[in-house]
Amino acid sequence: SQQGEEDPQALSIQEGENATMNCSYKTSINNLQWYRQNSGRGLVHLILIRSNEREKHSGRLRVTLDTSKKSSSLLITASRAADTASYFCATVMQSEKLVFGKGTKLTVNP
Amino acid sequence: DTAVSQTPKYLVTQMGNDKSIKCEQNLGHDTMYWYKQDSKKFLKIMFSYNNKELIINETVPNRFSPKSPDKAHLNLHINSLELGDSAVYFCASSYRTGVAGELFFGEGSRLTVL
Repeated sequence: SQQGEEDPQALSIQEGENATMNCSYKTSINNLQWYRQNSGRGLVHLILIRSNEREKHSGRLRVTLDTSKKSSSLLITASRAADTASYFCATVMQSEKLVFGKGTKLTVNP
Repeated sequence: DTAVSQTPKYLVTQMGNDKSIKCEQNLGHDTMYWYKQDSKKFLKIMFSYNNKELIINETVPNRFSPKSPDKAHLNLHINSLELGDSAVYFCASSYRTGVAGELFFGEGSRLTVL
């Protein structure tokens, strides 16, 4: 069953702008992960945030987690055309199973 | 040096045929997965193996049979293919820590059933 739900479904911005994507989920989690998928390619892991963490950074990426609201956000700062891709959140409960949301399609216009 | 490799990348076949997709990882991971991505980009887990042992088996038709000859390989065999099986199938691997961590994905195998 689907756990995460990204919002918006699609986002179009200009190069240099920031992009924010949100993910909401339904049940308690152990960790939440964000992945990027370029068109026609496999998924690439971006960042993992555990349920006892509130914020994590990796380069131009900033992820927040609010377990009381069951939501997470991914912020990409100073976006580039190469950031154009679909972004997925994935949640892990107390198991080996990673459950993906439907993704946000990000287009960064040069 | 490809970490998770899948073959074939593209597969076009007729309804009713049987086909296989192979996956190999050279990362030394214990756990391997098969995911199915439909035309709306929704990713759904199908199976997971840890060191040749099946640990996740989602509600998948029994026409789909995974096989893991060793911990570096996980193959997917599909019998009596149907139109609805058309999708991109992704293999992934990870270290096993009891709770799923970072997954490493292959490039996908696009299956088209005519």
